Amino acid sequence: NAGVTQTPKFRVLKTGQSMTLLCAQDMNHEYMYWYRQDPGMGLRLIHYSVGEGTTAKGEVPDGYNVSRLKKQNFLLGLESAAPSQTSVYFCASSPLQGGWHGETQYFGPGTRLLVL
Amino acid sequence: ELKVEQNPLFLSMQEGKNYTIYCNYSTTSDRLYWYRQDPGKSLESLFVLLSNGAVKQEGRLMASLDTKARLSTLHITAAVHDLSATYFCAVGGGADGLTFGKGTHLIIQP
Repeated sequence: NAGVTQTPKFRVLKTGQSMTLLCAQDMNHEYMYWYRQDPGMGLRLIHYSVGEGTTAKGEVPDGYNVSRLKKQNFLLGLESAAPSQTSVYFCASSPLQGGWHGETQYFGPGTRLLVL
Repeated sequence: ELKVEQNPLFLSMQEGKNYTIYCNYSTTSDRLYWYRQDPGKSLESLFVLLSNGAVKQEGRLMASLDTKARLSTLHITAAVHDLSATYFCAVGGGADGLTFGKGTHLIIQP
């Protein structure tokens, strides 16, 4: 069981470039999430998905798009990167019950993104 | 809008001492999570608290939840250096994701 994996681990972009971050989970979880972590800010939810083919906006969705074409994968896209998107991005997943029976969210290792 | 506040945000303490981290949240929730993060690493789940009065303990860490006061505490007993990390509380879960506090950066010195 690999759990939650993220690709790439680190990336440097120039302003205006685009890229896609890939998240994969092998736990058959229904729910998947993308967060960003900035110094002193904790983690903030960007987008989330409650199942294959569904996505929804979180707290800070501007400048990002997502897709969940397969249950195990959740992609985060930056169409035109900006320096304000320099951050560490974490993907997470959780089972359908979503915590009511004690389930937690499982986090990936993170992707460090630097936008110059 | 749900808000989660932790205090203190920074804590330096000596080994062997006890201390408590506080987590207040602004709207009703029956699920509260505690995570640990080491520098440059991902988040590790510590506790999931599901109901009022819930108390969970793991080693030198004990977490409790008072839903009426909208308060959770993470108590550290006889701190050791290995507990140095950043601790986050988070509220919510399920389909809507988690709302995190800003984290408590804990340094435990010999």
